[in-house]
Amino acid sequence: GNSVTQMEGPVTLSEEAFLTINCTYTATGYPSLFWYVQYPGEGLQLLLKATKADDKGSNKGFEATYRKETTSFHLEKGSVQVSDSAVYFCALMAAGGTSYGKLTFGQGTILTVHP
Amino acid sequence: DAGVTQSPTHLIKTRGQQVTLRCSPKSGHDTVSWYQQALGQGPQFIFQYYEEEERQRGNFPDRFSGHQFPNYSSELNVNALLLGDSALYLCASTQGVAYEQYFGPGTRLTVT
Repeated sequence: GNSVTQMEGPVTLSEEAFLTINCTYTATGYPSLFWYVQYPGEGLQLLLKATKADDKGSNKGFEATYRKETTSFHLEKGSVQVSDSAVYFCALMAAGGTSYGKLTFGQGTILTVHP
Repeated sequence: DAGVTQSPTHLIKTRGQQVTLRCSPKSGHDTVSWYQQALGQGPQFIFQYYEEEERQRGNFPDRFSGHQFPNYSSELNVNALLLGDSALYLCASTQGVAYEQYFGPGTRLTVT
């Protein structure tokens, strides 16, 4: 079945540091890939997405590139802010079949940014 | 434009009881999915409703059931509650089976 694996956390950084959160996936075909962010006490917000190989999703300074050859979708940001402190989830949606329309999530990575 | 709304925000139930959670999708959306997020975990897919029918289902027991109304709003029902059902229940809506799902704030269910 489909699965998503995120780097073990939590991640603690100082403001303006570089961020990388690793995400790898297992799926047949060409799934769509997503990063969601969850702020304390809130639901999930879509941060960025990529729907085919070599696509780069970007939003609010965050970027992730769909790498089919390494089945990865690592999240990066060049300079984090305190306001980026949240839980980040990598997710995939199958391209078709019985799992189409269903999101499969990783376990989440807690990011804490200190001033 | 109202986003996805869920009610109630928090709920405390006793083992063996039944609970109903409600979700109103984002305006223009006709598909609703439900997810369970246990503490410290990623959300797990429960089921999805489209055109008032359960379109697909995750690995959850029959104690979990749902319904979608003609106005596209949805309910999640859980019978015979177990302690392990304590979680944040998230509703997500989309137009058809599109890629981008919009999530509500969730309902925090505590079973004692």
